[in-house]
Amino acid sequence: NAGVTQTPKFRILKIGQSMTLQCTQDMNHNYMYWYRQDPGMGLKLIYYSVGAGITDKGEVPNGYNVSRSTTEDFPLRLELAAPSQTSVYFCASSNRGYEQYFGPGTRLTVT
Amino acid sequence: AQSVTQPDIHITVSEGASLELRCNYSYGATPYLFWYVQSPGQGLQLLLKYFSGDTLVQGIKGFEAEFKRSQSSFNLRKPSVHWSDAAEYFCAVPLNPAGGTSYGKLTFGQGTILTVHP
Repeated sequence: NAGVTQTPKFRILKIGQSMTLQCTQDMNHNYMYWYRQDPGMGLKLIYYSVGAGITDKGEVPNGYNVSRSTTEDFPLRLELAAPSQTSVYFCASSNRGYEQYFGPGTRLTVT
Repeated sequence: AQSVTQPDIHITVSEGASLELRCNYSYGATPYLFWYVQSPGQGLQLLLKYFSGDTLVQGIKGFEAEFKRSQSSFNLRKPSVHWSDAAEYFCAVPLNPAGGTSYGKLTFGQGTILTVHP
């Protein structure tokens, strides 16, 4: 099992550009989550999904969009990148519980 | 809303010394409580969890934590620290909307960075 995989590992964007952060899990988990991690701030939930076709906002959804067309994939879309979106992004999944399995993260810089 | 606070941003210990990382929560009822660890350049991994019952819970890698309702605390401990324990540690509680279902969502503390000296 690969667990939760995320691509890319690193990315530099210019202000106003768009990109999609990819997340895939092979554990057949229903629940998936996107977090951002900023120094000294812990992790903040951006969006989550409880199954294919069902998504909802977390604590800090502004500037982001998600979709969940399959159980395995949960991409995060940034439409108009801003410097405030410079962060490390983590995708996680769980099987209807609180034990979440995290991917290795994507480090994004917006300049 | 539930919240969790980790008072210590950075802790340094010598290898072989004991460790205690603090976590305080704000919650109206008996909470579910979690500790996660993030090794450098990695995602988070669950160390241990408390749902109910025995207030001293054992986790992976030799860690334990004790739930103390009177102090609203869930401190993480290890009797003898190894160099490989150097990491960032996060305490977490469920993120519940008022009257809603949690769907496994969590809110995390700010994290405590552990440095281990040889």
